[in-house]
Amino acid sequence: ETGVTQSPTHLIKTRGQQVTLRCSSQSGHNTVSWYQQALGQGPQFIFQYYREEENGRGNFPPRFSGLQFPNYSSELNVNALELDDSALYLCASSSIRGFSGSSSYNEQFFGPGTRLTVL
Amino acid sequence: KQEVTQIPAALSVPEGENLVLNCSFTDSAIYNLQWFRQDPGKGLTSLLLIQSSQREQTSGRLNASLDKSSGRSTLYIAASQPGDSATYLCASRVDGNNRKLIWGLGTSLAVNP
Repeated sequence: ETGVTQSPTHLIKTRGQQVTLRCSSQSGHNTVSWYQQALGQGPQFIFQYYREEENGRGNFPPRFSGLQFPNYSSELNVNALELDDSALYLCASSSIRGFSGSSSYNEQFFGPGTRLTVL
Repeated sequence: KQEVTQIPAALSVPEGENLVLNCSFTDSAIYNLQWFRQDPGKGLTSLLLIQSSQREQTSGRLNASLDKSSGRSTLYIAASQPGDSATYLCASRVDGNNRKLIWGLGTSLAVNP
């Protein structure tokens, strides 16, 4: 069973550029969540994807967008980069299983993160 | 709106001590609560997950408890070791359609040999 992987590990961009971050979910997981963690802060929820559709979004502008692929891997795209976008971007995978008529979220497993620096 | 607070923000203890990290949340209607460990500049490692119907979970030297009525969770670390030095974060998942994790700012733990 492979864990959650993210690429690249580090990235340096300039203001106004666009960036794509990638995440491969853990085997058997069908849900991917993305978080932004600024230095010294807790992670902030960006959005979540389930079965290739957005399944919840945090307080982030539309220039933050994402995709989930049939193999449940995911991309986070950020357009028009700003200095404040510099952060550690974390991807987490989990699975949703239905039981007793309700959905159940299992434990979230995180990747090592991508450190994005915007100059 | 769910808010999660962790106290203390930082903690320094000698090796071998038993210690307690605290996590408070304002909305008791949580789905579950998860404790994580984060080493500097690294990703998050899940330590323990407590479902809303559970009172505690244990893994090795770690024990996490959950009291929804008081809005508190504690992480107990027994016989601390220098390798336990890291930032410990708690995160709650609230009920509803948007089941995102709401995070505390973490407790930075230093265990001194």
